[in-house]
Amino acid sequence: AQSVTQLDSQVPVFEEAPVELRCNYSSSVSVYLFWYVQYPNQGLQLLLKYLSGSTLVKGINGFEAEFNKSQTSFHLRKPSVHISDTAEYFCAVSRQGGSEKLVFGKGTKLTVNP
Amino acid sequence: KAGVTQTPRYLIKTRGQQVTLSCSPISGHRSVSWYQQTPGQGLQFLFEYFSETQRNKGNFPGRFSGRQFSNSRSEMNVSTLELGDSALYLCASSPLGVVATEAFFGQGTRLTVV
Repeated sequence: AQSVTQLDSQVPVFEEAPVELRCNYSSSVSVYLFWYVQYPNQGLQLLLKYLSGSTLVKGINGFEAEFNKSQTSFHLRKPSVHISDTAEYFCAVSRQGGSEKLVFGKGTKLTVNP
Repeated sequence: KAGVTQTPRYLIKTRGQQVTLSCSPISGHRSVSWYQQTPGQGLQFLFEYFSETQRNKGNFPGRFSGRQFSNSRSEMNVSTLELGDSALYLCASSPLGVVATEAFFGQGTRLTVV
């Protein structure tokens, strides 16, 4: 079975500051990794995903994440955040090789203050 | 291309009643997955349908059921509602049989049980 731990439930930052949202996973098999964003009263929007290849993945809205297999981590970063980045962010994994479900972390609430 | 459409967006039901939620996937997508989102448990997988067959099921009681029609539209049903069933129910559609790597989420149905 797979599990995901998002190390921070809330992250407050000031506008234009850099941010890192941390995600660690546990799995006995190879996995795919994802970051989703959820705005209030909305569904989930895919920010980026790691399937294979380069461990540095670039996504939408200036976000990027780095897959670290030895540390089983997939941290999300943005060099300069905007007020509009205020939302909840979810890290997720799925097992490679099949039509597998997504297993989500508990989420990190990012609040960008002026 | 229209996105995933979930209806209704909001629903209030009384304990003991039953409820049916609907999900119309993106045109051409044949796989539909359902997730429950609550503040306490986070995002949890309910079930996944592909070509009218349930392929994967999460750890939920039998009160939760679903089905998929020949046009790929899906419904989920919850019978004998409990207060704890209050949640945001999210539907995701995927092309072909590749569920997790190409999942597109709807805006969800907010169910409140009173």
